[in-house]
Amino acid sequence: EDQVTQSPEALRLQEGESSSLNCSYTVSGLRGLFWYRQDPGKGPEFLFTLYSAGEEKEKERLKATLTKKESFLHITAPKPEDSATYLCAVPSMNRDDKIIFGKGTRLHILP
Amino acid sequence: DSGVTQTPKHLITATGQRVTLRCSPRSGDLSVYWYQQSLDQGLQFLIQYYNGEERAKGNILERFSAQQFPDLHSELNLSSLELGDSALYFCASSGVSSYNEQFFGPGTRLTVL
Repeated sequence: EDQVTQSPEALRLQEGESSSLNCSYTVSGLRGLFWYRQDPGKGPEFLFTLYSAGEEKEKERLKATLTKKESFLHITAPKPEDSATYLCAVPSMNRDDKIIFGKGTRLHILP
Repeated sequence: DSGVTQTPKHLITATGQRVTLRCSPRSGDLSVYWYQQSLDQGLQFLIQYYNGEERAKGNILERFSAQQFPDLHSELNLSSLELGDSALYFCASSGVSSYNEQFFGPGTRLTVL
């Protein structure tokens, strides 16, 4: 069964303290992996799409990387405004056209 | 601003009632997805439409239904509402398929009293 698992569930960091969030997936034949940021009560905001192992994408303090089994979202010198829930998702390999979302990592950056 | 619009922003209703949520996708996007997010829960996929046709179904209750109209806007109908249906309902749109990233609307917060 296609599955996406994110860890940790929650992470508290001091401002400026870099860290990484993990997204592992069990879909055969990856057709892309998406990262989103969600603020409380708001719709998820698209961040990155990664398609192949070894691919990396950056946006401000965020860098997403992809291997054959997992993806990492690296946060460098985070600021309080980076506090949010970060979601990853992959397209299902079933004949349907679903996207499977992980439960997310709640990131809290302390000033 | 993702370009996806949803109305209304908030909806308060009573158990047993029926409501309709509306979504307009980004210009040019043919796929519309509906999701439910309860308090402290992840995004639960409900249903997807592509160019007017149902393409994928998730854990959507029989009391819920959706459609996509010729102008590509979509409506999610929720009937015989229960307290447990209180949640945020998001609409997302994308290009052709789930290969493409989805762009989410601001959501409709439904409260069932």
